Amino acid sequence: GESVGLHLPTLSVQEGDNSIINCAYSNSASDYFIWYKQESGKGPQFIIDIRSNMDKRQGQRVTVLLNKTVKHLSLQIAATQPGDSAVYFCAEISGGGADGLTFGKGTHLIIQP
Amino acid sequence: EPEVTQTPSHQVTQMGQEVILRCVPISNHLYFYWYRQILGQKVEFLVSFYNNEISEKSEIFDDQFSVERPDGSNFTLKIRSTKLEDSAMYFCASRSGQLTDTQYFGPGTRLTVL
Repeated sequence: GESVGLHLPTLSVQEGDNSIINCAYSNSASDYFIWYKQESGKGPQFIIDIRSNMDKRQGQRVTVLLNKTVKHLSLQIAATQPGDSAVYFCAEISGGGADGLTFGKGTHLIIQP
Repeated sequence: EPEVTQTPSHQVTQMGQEVILRCVPISNHLYFYWYRQILGQKVEFLVSFYNNEISEKSEIFDDQFSVERPDGSNFTLKIRSTKLEDSAMYFCASRSGQLTDTQYFGPGTRLTVL
């Protein structure tokens, strides 16, 4: 079936460096994508979203890029901090009236001092 | 900042027992959701609820599950006869429906079925 997935289960970066977390999706009908951050023992926390009519959106220290041609989504975190250590999930809504989010498996981002 | 709250934070129950997980969505939100996350796995959609009825449900949400909005603030998930495989984190989420699709999640209830 169609699903959202992530390329790498674990990503380790030095504090202060930039990080890029990738996500591949297979449902071409998806029209809304979200990145969530989940810290241990907590619920998913909204980071940033993007609609399919856009290819880039920026927030505070975060940028989401959407490449519909290759069905690829990425989250860039600038100047990483220890508090960025968490599992990051991409999620999608497939459109057509669907409302539930389909989550990827998650990437564990580790910020090393 | 308003947030989704959930109670209890941890529920332990015996197999076959009924459990009710409770959520208080953000006050002006209109759309409500339940998700679950089995330990070490991804978050999975269970059900969405709008205007006092289920709007969408996944294959996981079988006859053992039900949802209810008993009053103007609470949103509950009931599992009638729990199974071992129901052990998971259960997250409630809500969204306003006002020109945004952003779903905001609660901290979750950890359900342990023995």
